[in-house]
This record gives sequence, structure tokens and C-alpha cells, in this order.
Amino acid sequence: EVQLLESGGGLVQPGGSLRLSCAASGFTFSSYGMSWVRQAPGKGLEWVSVITESGGYTYYADSVKGRFTISRDNSKNTLFLQMNSLRAEDTAVYYCAKSLHIGTHKDFFDYWGQGTLVTVSS
Amino acid sequence: EIVLTQSPATLSLSPGERATLSCRASQSVSTYLAWYQEKPGQAPRLLIYDTSNRATGIPARFSGSGSGTDFTLTISSLEPEDFAVYYCQQRFLWPPGFGGGTKVEIK
Repeated sequence: EVQLLESGGGLVQPGGSLRLSCAASGFTFSSYGMSWVRQAPGKGLEWVSVITESGGYTYYADSVKGRFTISRDNSKNTLFLQMNSLRAEDTAVYYCAKSLHIGTHKDFFDYWGQGTLVTVSS
Repeated sequence: EIVLTQSPATLSLSPGERATLSCRASQSVSTYLAWYQEKPGQAPRLLIYDTSNRATGIPARFSGSGSGTDFTLTISSLEPEDFAVYYCQQRFLWPPGFGGGTKVEIK
């Protein structure tokens, strides 16, 4: 059974940093691109970032480019999101999501974690 | 950036009725469109991908159609568990964005 378990969310002041983790199990983690998708309170879904299977390529939404860094450790089946220079508008539930297909970073998401809440407020 | 516009924003129907949800893209996404279901407190669930392919375990009452810029998700006969918010997503052009959602509520 595929499982994705996020952690690391919490309350942080504007300008602060936070590192999210996503522990994956139940599939060959190193074969799939992985993404972060967020949802602000009462709002829709927003794709944030994707990393290719090997970690060689990363892509970001314009709204987080230069502030967030996605990475992965395939030996530990774990995905990360380092978030710096956080703003109030980054407040959201952050989901990690598994790509549906092997070999593409521009994909749909067939499994999602339960999400971790990040609140940016003073 | 492609904009996905979903309509209606809210659909009020009774169990057993047919639901028809629309997703319109600001430019062609070919057939690279998916639909997700989201319930309160739960993660989104992939229903349909590449316009018309049901994801693993999705009941046959869910179907998708369309191409280019106009897409439809149809729920043939609403079950109580189908009342939720539905999002479309494209993967044809960068970035892989989502529509604003349609809420299917009990009438």
C-alpha cells in the first residue's frame, strides 16, 4: 500500500524558515517524480514544486522560486521542501504527491499524503 | 500560463441525479487533463487522467470527456459519498496547474 506521510509543519514568523519532510513507502520511490502541492485555507490547490526521480532536475512555481528548495533522499525514501523567507501568503496545507507516470516531471498525481499545515504569522 | 476555469462553482443535486462538471482551458491542453475529488479533512484523490481514463479503484459512474479546451466530468448517478469538491488539472504546459474547483452539494 502506498503511503506518504508529511511532517515538519508549524507556526513560523514572516521571514522565517521551515523544512518539510515526506516519508514514502509502498512503491519504488526512486522511480517516480515527486511534487509538493499546497492549499491555502478555504482556497484551491496550487502546485509548488517537482523533483525528478534521481533528483537531477527541479522545478518551481513562480510564487516560490528562489525561496523554496525541493530535494530527495532516495536511500531513505524521503522528500523534502526547504522553505525560506516565508510570507503570510505561504500559509497553507502542504501535500506531497507522487507522479502517476514513470519518467516525466510534468504529470498528474495518483497518491497524496494527508498534508502538513504551515502557518506564517507574527 | 494556462488558466483552468471550472463551472459551475457550486452544483446542488440530490442523490441519484446526474452531475455534469465543466473545465475550460485558456488554451489547448490536448487530452492531458485530470480530475480529482477532495473531501473535508482528506487528501485529494485522482479520479480521471488523460481526459477519460479512470484511476485505480474509481467506480464506473465517474467518466470524463473532451479535448483541446473543453472538458467534462460526469457522475452518472450521485452516491452520498460523491458530495465533495472536484478539481481539474492539466499537465500539457508548464506549470501543471489546477482549476478553481466545483463543489457538489446535497440539494
